[in-house]
Amino acid sequence: EVVMTQSPATLSVSPGESATLSCRASQTVSNNLAWYQQKPGQAPRLLIYGASTRATGIPARFSGSGFGTEFTLTISSLQSEDFAVYYCQQYHNWPPATFGQGTKVEIK
Amino acid sequence: EEQLLESGGGLVQPGGSLRLSCVVSGFTFSDYGMNWVRQAPGKGLEWVTAISGSGASTYYADSVKGRFTISRDNSKNTLYLQMNSLRAEDTAIYYCAKGKAAGGTSSLLDYWGQGTLVTVSS
Repeated sequence: EVVMTQSPATLSVSPGESATLSCRASQTVSNNLAWYQQKPGQAPRLLIYGASTRATGIPARFSGSGFGTEFTLTISSLQSEDFAVYYCQQYHNWPPATFGQGTKVEIK
Repeated sequence: EEQLLESGGGLVQPGGSLRLSCVVSGFTFSDYGMNWVRQAPGKGLEWVTAISGSGASTYYADSVKGRFTISRDNSKNTLYLQMNSLRAEDTAIYYCAKGKAAGGTSSLLDYWGQGTLVTVSS
């Protein structure tokens, strides 16, 4: 099983600033890496797939990068609606598909 | 517009059974693999199971293998999850989610339902 590790667990950011979230895989997942956003009481929403491709309707302030075992999600100029929990997920070596434990982006 | 609506959650005793349903609309259901993902209260996401568009292939997490069964009725645009021998650790919100890639079984999930809560407790 591929273990996904996200850091940090919590990120405190002021509105308008940028946030950088990290995700590491225990073995290579190529570029088969997705990021999801989840707000309280809501289902997750796909943000990024293929490590760097934005999903339909996702604003350009969300960008992803990385390959192999190290990945990054960057949110530039954070808006109020961006404060949420973010999960990375590998879909390269499955079953099982595996998620990171999540990074909570909170208002500083 | 793709829509997924789960139902069937509730309170069940340990060792009991429950069947979840997920009715979908807005896409050709039989073209896409489907998944169930769960989230224990206050915890992260856990992939549970997936099924191909035809229903011929199924995949399970070790934690549910032999206890849960995924199935689908393409004539009814409905996905199912039969859960038997339920344990307290199965308590979670269960989401159905659509695989992104047509023609195969994908665990890249582009549309999710709102979830249904399953509570296993005596």
